Amino acid sequence: SQQGEEDPQALSIQEGENATMNCSYKTSINNLQWYRQNSGRGLVHLILIRSNEREKHSGRLRVTLDTSKKSSSLLITASRAADTASYFCAPSGYNTDKLIFGTGTRLQVFP
Amino acid sequence: ETGVTQSPTHLIKTRGQQVTLRCSSQSGHNTVSWYQQALGQGPQFIFQYYREEENGRGNFPPRFSGLQFPNYSSELNVNALELDDSALYLCASTPQGGATQYFGPGTRLTVL
Repeated sequence: SQQGEEDPQALSIQEGENATMNCSYKTSINNLQWYRQNSGRGLVHLILIRSNEREKHSGRLRVTLDTSKKSSSLLITASRAADTASYFCAPSGYNTDKLIFGTGTRLQVFP
Repeated sequence: ETGVTQSPTHLIKTRGQQVTLRCSSQSGHNTVSWYQQALGQGPQFIFQYYREEENGRGNFPPRFSGLQFPNYSSELNVNALELDDSALYLCASTPQGGATQYFGPGTRLTVL
């Protein structure tokens, strides 16, 4: 299965702090994506990192990928209250573009 | 905004009824995927359509069926509704050759 498992399940921080979420998976991947979901809404694509990449940045987001450990991390720097959401990782294999989501990390950023 | 729209926004049905949910893909996207998300859970893959053909299915019974039209819009049909079908239903479209899925806002289905 390509399902990603996010850790921790929940994270609470103050505005301005950094938030780090981790994702583990079990089989070889072609790429791994991170998505954000605000309460009860659709998912928003944040970043895609390919299996031959180790680190990728997008604004305040930094994603790392360690294929030897089958893990990825998402770092949000200088968090804002608007970052409050659930975050999901979605590893994807070579012969499929289907996404298998875990239960996500619920991030709460307090003003 | 992703350009993917879904209708209706909310829907209430009773057990045993049938429901059709609709999704309009982003322009130029020829792949549509459907997901079911129960409260507090991650989205679960139902199935995917590519050029009007089913292109993979998750662990959902046959009473979940779908269609994709020539304009790449899509429908999800659920027959014989059960209480556990209450969930947020999400569709996502993917551009040709792309990997990123662009999600619609979802349809909240409540089965009483």
